[in-house]
Amino acid sequence: EVQLAESGGRLVQPGGSLRLSCAASGFIFSDHYMDWVRQAPGKGLEWVGRARNKANSHFTEYAASVKGRFIISRDDSNNSLYLQMNSLTTEDTAVYYCAREGYFESSGYAFDIWGQGTMVTVSS
Amino acid sequence: EIVLTQSPGTLSLSPGERATLSCRASQSVPSNYLAWFQQKPGQAPRLLIYGASSRATGIPDRFSGSGSGTDFTLTISRLEPEDFAVYHCQQYGRSPLTFGGGTKVEIK
Repeated sequence: EVQLAESGGRLVQPGGSLRLSCAASGFIFSDHYMDWVRQAPGKGLEWVGRARNKANSHFTEYAASVKGRFIISRDDSNNSLYLQMNSLTTEDTAVYYCAREGYFESSGYAFDIWGQGTMVTVSS
Repeated sequence: EIVLTQSPGTLSLSPGERATLSCRASQSVPSNYLAWFQQKPGQAPRLLIYGASSRATGIPDRFSGSGSGTDFTLTISRLEPEDFAVYHCQQYGRSPLTFGGGTKVEIK
């Protein structure tokens, strides 16, 4: 079964750091672009960033709201995606989802598999 | 950045009725790379539609997507009880990837 499972979310103080993990199973992880998406309580979805696949040199891209503070990395040998979050503020409080970009012929790469999410709360 | 505006914010309908949800982009979405997701409380989003009009695997045919350029529509032909949820549109044609604010379909 194709699955993504996030972990690492917890309560952290403003200014602190946190590392989230996403474990993938049931598919060839190294073939896919992988993304992080977050959702603040009662709000919509916000793309955080992505790590491209090995064929694209694991190139990373970020939303402006997190660029310079968050780092996305991946370990294809362990089928894992990571999100290192630094200089956290209360605005970063959200459920964080990892998502797979699946290829659809003539329709590009869409988020076809999502994890269940992990909650990050930034508060003093 | 391509800004997506969804309307209405909330749609109050009865089971069996037709739902029409709109997603408007601030500029043309490249290659019509527009997706729709369904999200129920406490759950992750689920892909319904990709490429503006193609249904994802296992999605019932009462869900259909249409549109191109800057105007896109998700239609649910006859609402089933399990369809009451929040629906998000997303463009994946240009980075940064962006989502609309969501439309809640609630039971009238």
